[in-house]
Order: sequence, then structure tokens, then C-alpha cells
Amino acid sequence: DAGVIQSPRHEVTEMGQEVTLRCKPISGHDYLFWYRQTMMRGLELLIYFNNNVPIDDSGMPEDRFSAKMPNASFSTLKIQPSEPRDSAVYFCASGQTPNEKLFFGSGTQLSVL
Amino acid sequence: SQQGEEDPQALSIQEGENATMNCSYKTSINNLQWYRQNSGRGLVHLILIRSNEREKHSGRLRVTLDTSKKSSSLLITASRAADTASYFCATLSPSGTYKYIFGTGTRLKVLA
Repeated sequence: DAGVIQSPRHEVTEMGQEVTLRCKPISGHDYLFWYRQTMMRGLELLIYFNNNVPIDDSGMPEDRFSAKMPNASFSTLKIQPSEPRDSAVYFCASGQTPNEKLFFGSGTQLSVL
Repeated sequence: SQQGEEDPQALSIQEGENATMNCSYKTSINNLQWYRQNSGRGLVHLILIRSNEREKHSGRLRVTLDTSKKSSSLLITASRAADTASYFCATLSPSGTYKYIFGTGTRLKVLA
């Protein structure tokens, strides 16, 4: 298996633009997590899905953020409109069962100018 | 808010020495995991210890868990330059929602 695949690896955009981050989890994993990592706040859980259904989105910072999982092999995290404070590394992770290890993608480095 | 706090924030040792990192957390847990993150990469799972376990080994890694003190430690023995990375603890609460909360991380530098 290729592991969790995220795209793009790097994204540079201007304030106000829409940004879409993509994630392909490991096949057979029922849980998908989106995390954001910054120096100031560390790793923050934004939202997680179980069987494509959003279970907990309490970490989503604002209405500007939205996440979808239309099928078991694809998820998106969208920021509209983007702001400079959204600059961070966004990670997607998947897991087979909720109380076992997570597999992380390589992340998307987002820079909002 | 962060559940786990790692200590120290940064650690620099010579190759061959042992490295010990500590993690403290605030609420009861289902399990505690340790992850490694190399610069510019995603996190990689190292070891998982459940709340009813006290110690676990995996190769050069040794993890202990003290639920009474709400703390865990990760020991890397005979460190190598390739162990240079950030190390995070992650806790899973038994609350029914599967939210892994990561600590602040320890930056380990192993000097050759």
C-alpha cells in the first residue's frame, strides 16, 4: 500500500483565495483525521470521519473551514476565504480501528500571503 | 487545549547515549502512543501502550506508563544520528469519541 497520500505537498496562495487540500486514506481504514500543525499551537485535531461520516468537527476553527468525505478513498479540506493565519502544515491520517495507531500522510505546507 | 506536554522541549545527546523523553497528560486515557516526526515529514507511529499496561518494549524503545501520575516516558537506548527527530505523545480518552490529542513534542538531536 502506498500509505496516506496528500496533495498538493505545497500550496502558496493569496489571502481571500479558496484552498482545497486532498487526502487519500489507506484502503480499508474506516477512520480519517485532519490535523493542523503550527509552531505556536502544535498539532491540532480539526475533524475526523468514521465510514465517511463526520463525527467530531469541534476543532474546525471557523466557518471558513469545511471538510468532506464523499467516499471511502477521498477526503477534502477546504478553506474559503483563506487568511494568512491559516498558514500551517495540514496532515491527514487514517486508521483501521479507533484505538490503534494512525498512519499519517506527508502533509500539505500551506502559505497564505 | 493540549492534552500532553512533553519534557524536555529539546534534547541534544551524543551518538550511543540513551535519550529519555517524558509526557504528562491531564485526563484519563484509553491508550497512549508515541510518534516520531522527521523534519518536513509526517508522523510515524512508534509504540502504543494501553492504560492497563505499565511497560512496553520495541527494539531500542522502552515506554513506561504511570496512570496514577498521568505520565509516560520514552527511552531510546544506544541512540543513532538517524534518531534525530521530534517525538510526540498522543493520548486517546475513553470518552467515546476517538480524538487523539498530541503533545507539544520533544526535539531530539543526536550528534555523530
